[in-house]
Amino acid sequence: NFMLTQPHSVSESPGKTVTISCTRSSGSIASNYVQWYQQRPGSSPTTVIYEDNQRPSGVPDRFSGSIDSSSNSASLTISGLKTEDEADYYCQSYDSSSLWVFGGGTKLTVL
Amino acid sequence: QVTLKESGPVLVKPTETLTLTCTVSGFSLSNARMGVSWIRQPPGKALEWLAHIFSNDEKSYSTSLKSRLTISKDTSKSQVVLTMTNMDPVDTATYYCAVLVVVAATPGWFDPWGQGTLVTVSS
Repeated sequence: NFMLTQPHSVSESPGKTVTISCTRSSGSIASNYVQWYQQRPGSSPTTVIYEDNQRPSGVPDRFSGSIDSSSNSASLTISGLKTEDEADYYCQSYDSSSLWVFGGGTKLTVL
Repeated sequence: QVTLKESGPVLVKPTETLTLTCTVSGFSLSNARMGVSWIRQPPGKALEWLAHIFSNDEKSYSTSLKSRLTISKDTSKSQVVLTMTNMDPVDTATYYCAVLVVVAATPGWFDPWGQGTLVTVSS
């Protein structure tokens, strides 16, 4: 079994860039794709990144994803921050034992 | 357009069995590239995957909750049903169903999600 660890919260000013990390506890981060979901208050999650770095149609290119095998982590980077980006962000991955696993979520504050 | 809607009781008593229904539209539950999962979120806490059912009726369950969960589907009604036995106040959560989009041989990702239904466990 593995876990995905995210910072509890991050904050940044409008127009700036923020990066949210997601560290896999065991097994390689590259062994299965990582997804990122945005959850605004009172709403259901929506996909902002799938398969490590792919953006669904309709998601602005200010959102990007990457993985780093050296730190065994994935990252979600949001550039040109807008107040509408304020939300909780969850990473998610998979392995054959734990199946689908979510990270603990990161609260992004844009102030 | 693919949509999902969860339905079920808003309040259950401890030890009771919870039955939730996810009604889907815009795709068929027999679609080989899609399946449906149940995911829950306790108030103020993280998402937790619970169970999944594939188009071929293969099922997968969270290892920690496997003994309490049953997932099934009725393709003709476009419904996926989750039952969870022996409910406890710690099971209080918003329960979501979501489509698992599968491309090639990858595990896939969840998109879209239903609106969720809040279930409170209390006597």
